[in-house]
Amino acid sequence: AQSVSQHNHHVILSEAASLELGCNYSYGGTVNLFWYVQYPGQHLQLLLKYFSGDPLVKGIKGFEAEFIKSKFSFNLRKPSVQWSDTAEYFCAVMSNQAGTALIFGKGTTLSVSS
Amino acid sequence: DGGITQSPKYLFRKEGQNVTLSCEQNLNHDAMYWYRQDPGQGLRLIYYSQIVNDFQKGDIAEGYSVSREKKESFPLTVTSAQKNPTAFYLCASSRAPGNTGELFFGEGSRLTVL
Repeated sequence: AQSVSQHNHHVILSEAASLELGCNYSYGGTVNLFWYVQYPGQHLQLLLKYFSGDPLVKGIKGFEAEFIKSKFSFNLRKPSVQWSDTAEYFCAVMSNQAGTALIFGKGTTLSVSS
Repeated sequence: DGGITQSPKYLFRKEGQNVTLSCEQNLNHDAMYWYRQDPGQGLRLIYYSQIVNDFQKGDIAEGYSVSREKKESFPLTVTSAQKNPTAFYLCASSRAPGNTGELFFGEGSRLTVL
C-alpha cells in the first residue's frame, strides 16, 4: 500500500527565510506526486504536481519541488517565504494505475512571522 | 461558477444518529472522493468513486456508507457504527478516466457529535 511521510509537523520561519518541507513516499511503482496547500479558512488547492519529465517542478507563488526517485522524495522549497505563505501544506501521491486514489501525508503547518 | 458544494457547513448530531453529508459538483468530473481531516492526521480517504454506480473503500471506510446514483452527487452517510465521527469532512472530484490525480475540493463539512 502507498504511504506518504512528511517530516515536519510544524515549521516556524521569519519572513525572507528559505523553506524546505520534506516528503517521502512508499510505493514501488510509478507515481504522480503533488503538493496541496490549505490557507487559513480556505479550501485545499493544488500548489504543484509532478507526473514525468524534468524532476524539478515549479508551482504557484514561487514554490518548487524536486522529485528524487532514488530517495522516494518530493521536497517542497521556496527561497524566500512571505507572511502570506502561512498555511498547512500536504504532500500527496497517487499510483499512475487507473482506479486509484490520492493518498495524503499528515501535513506540515507553516507559520511565517513578519 | 463551476465547483464543488458541500452541505451543511456545520452539523451537530446526537450520538447514535446517522448523518448524511451532501456533495455536489458541476465540473462534469467522473471521479469523486470523501476524505476526513483531523488535526495532525492529514487527510484520510474514506470512499471514492470513479464512475456512477461504482465506489471503492478507502483506508477508513468502517462506519461510513456512500452512494453514486448520479455523476454530480456523492453523499456520505456517517452511521452510528462510526466510533469517532466528530471531524472535518472534505469532498473532492477529479477527471477520469485518465485521472491526473488533480483534485478539486469543496469547503468541507464540520460534524460534531454530542
